[in-house]
Amino acid sequence: EPEVTQTPSHQVTQMGQEVILRCVPISNHLYFYWYRQILGQKVEFLVSFYNNEISEKSEIFDDQFSVERPDGSNFTLKIRSTKLEDSAMYFCASILLAGNTDTQYFGPGTRLTVL
Amino acid sequence: GDSVTQMEGPVTLSEEAFLTINCTYTATGYPSLFWYVQYPGEGLQLLLKATKADDKGSNKGFEATYRKETTSFHLEKGSVQVSDSAVYFCALSRYGGATNKLIFGTGTLLAVQP
Repeated sequence: EPEVTQTPSHQVTQMGQEVILRCVPISNHLYFYWYRQILGQKVEFLVSFYNNEISEKSEIFDDQFSVERPDGSNFTLKIRSTKLEDSAMYFCASILLAGNTDTQYFGPGTRLTVL
Repeated sequence: GDSVTQMEGPVTLSEEAFLTINCTYTATGYPSLFWYVQYPGEGLQLLLKATKADDKGSNKGFEATYRKETTSFHLEKGSVQVSDSAVYFCALSRYGGATNKLIFGTGTLLAVQP
């Protein structure tokens, strides 16, 4: 069964450093998402991406964040200058179409630790 | 705005006990409703979903019915197993515009003891 993959599984970085989290969505899916889950808290929407542009972003997704689909398979989340509060699990998700009945499929997540 | 409220955890049950995890939502229109499960150290997996009022989603012995009159989508299982120990998230998506982002509840930790 096709699945969403994410690398790395765990990333440790120093505050102020740039990080890039990578995702490979399911191959025929058209909509892509990033969510994050701070330890012990709810999963929060960050951004959605379609047709090579952001379709929606949350208030969390400020100028420090950017997303890109550099080729036909990868979908990346970049944090320009990490802060301690960026420490979280980051989940990528994809969906074939953004219809009301469709299911988002999640990757296993990347745990980001900012020291 | 749209929101999901779940019962606080943790929920601790003995094996073969009956499980209910309450979930209510606030949304305009007709959202789709989901239960996702997160096993220890893993990502989110879809457990079941319902896309319109009175629909019942079911999977692996779990069930939830979309009740528009009470804006609820409670998760139930008749007989839990130790392997059901996980965090359960209720979520909704409301199709509008170019995205159908998921809005999650806080999650409920279920611990099943042998």
